[in-house]
Amino acid sequence: AQKITQTQPGMFVQEKEAVTLDCTYDTSDQSYGLFWYKQPSSGEMIFLIYQGSYDEQNATEGRYSLNFQKARKSANLVISASQLGDSAMYFCAMREGPSGNTPLVFGKGTRLSVIA
Amino acid sequence: SAVISQKPSRDICQRGTSLTIQCQVDSQVTMMFWYRQQPGQSLTLIATANQGSEATYESGFVIDKFPISRPNLTFSTLTVSNMSPEDSSIYLCSVDSGGDTQYFGPGTRLTVL
Repeated sequence: AQKITQTQPGMFVQEKEAVTLDCTYDTSDQSYGLFWYKQPSSGEMIFLIYQGSYDEQNATEGRYSLNFQKARKSANLVISASQLGDSAMYFCAMREGPSGNTPLVFGKGTRLSVIA
Repeated sequence: SAVISQKPSRDICQRGTSLTIQCQVDSQVTMMFWYRQQPGQSLTLIATANQGSEATYESGFVIDKFPISRPNLTFSTLTVSNMSPEDSSIYLCSVDSGGDTQYFGPGTRLTVL
């Protein structure tokens, strides 16, 4: 079974609108971390936001927020006030276990296109 | 935050040859991770490199094909050996920074002809 599922291969959003990118995860660990990355066409992986499994509040970083629903095992990324520069691939990822020195498992990604 | 550099940033190689990719971090880290991203795909972990011990490889990746060195706490290399066109990918190294962030290098874009 896939550990990270991103069901939206592609999404379109109007500039200045908000958009939600879906991510569900599967783990039996009680301690884990969830990450979102942005990958523009240049190929670099840009860290956006992190949510720990024990964090009670949803993480926020500027225009990015993570809608964490633990019981549903979902960790959706919300981008507010979309900008043309937000057009990129977005990957959801998970680290299982409490240790930081653990690699990430990635979803297949969602390609976001922002329309002027 | 950790600043990671990779060399080369891109290369075009002939089949049958080998390429060594370097990853340098601006701070000491215990673990370094190497990922591969094939065209149009997501990231797949190749191996975990711990300083002072042999790298741990994921299923489907072997040391003879992807030898890794980790001579100190700030540096690692990944070699792609006896390359074929199927090895054309972006190769990325990453490090953990305190558990709530994992930073990636800018990647090495490899094309094998």
